[in-house]
Amino acid sequence: DGGITQSPKYLFRKEGQNVTLSCEQNLNHDAMYWYRQDPGQGLRLIYYSQIVNDFQKGDIAEGYSVSREKKESFPLTVTSAQKNPTAFYLCASGQGPNTEAFFGQGTRLTVV
Amino acid sequence: KNEVEQSPQNLTAQEGEFITINCSYSVGISALHWLQQHPGGGIVSLFMLSSGKKKHGRLIATINIQEKHSSLHITASHPRDSAVYICALYSGGGADGLTFGKGTHLIIQP
Repeated sequence: DGGITQSPKYLFRKEGQNVTLSCEQNLNHDAMYWYRQDPGQGLRLIYYSQIVNDFQKGDIAEGYSVSREKKESFPLTVTSAQKNPTAFYLCASGQGPNTEAFFGQGTRLTVV
Repeated sequence: KNEVEQSPQNLTAQEGEFITINCSYSVGISALHWLQQHPGGGIVSLFMLSSGKKKHGRLIATINIQEKHSSLHITASHPRDSAVYICALYSGGGADGLTFGKGTHLIIQP
């Protein structure tokens, strides 16, 4: 079945360590997105990519990095520069702005 | 930047009740999405609409472009409808993702 796979579902890291969250899609979508969700807040856009080898910063890109070497994959690295990394991270994909959005199951990152 | 307001923030109802969740926004949009987030965190797209009304099973979504307002209705609500319902907008001008409301936490009691 087509869909988006995020892994792992839960992730624990020590403060100061970089960590990479995986997002893979087999929907043949051009656009992929990373969002962050905090309690009591709406999802916020971290990075997005419209095409392979190209990506753009979203509203809260500081402390994060991404790559888009393959159409299917859009990994997110949470660096030690991110001051408050503990959050729920969601990956999404789509064929464009006026098309249905597809979401992964999310990764809950806890930094201790 | 588009501001998205959802109401109510929390809603508890009895099984069988008719449920309405509202979403208002400040800037004209290209498309509005209604999403459902279950306790595990994964999000499912329920509707995407840019005008009028859509129906899927017991769920109905409406949008009024002039009033910048959308509603999600659930008929004959059931405990399995308990979830967070999120309104999200795309305002146009490039593939820069969606702007999300904070969500409505719905609990349907048996």
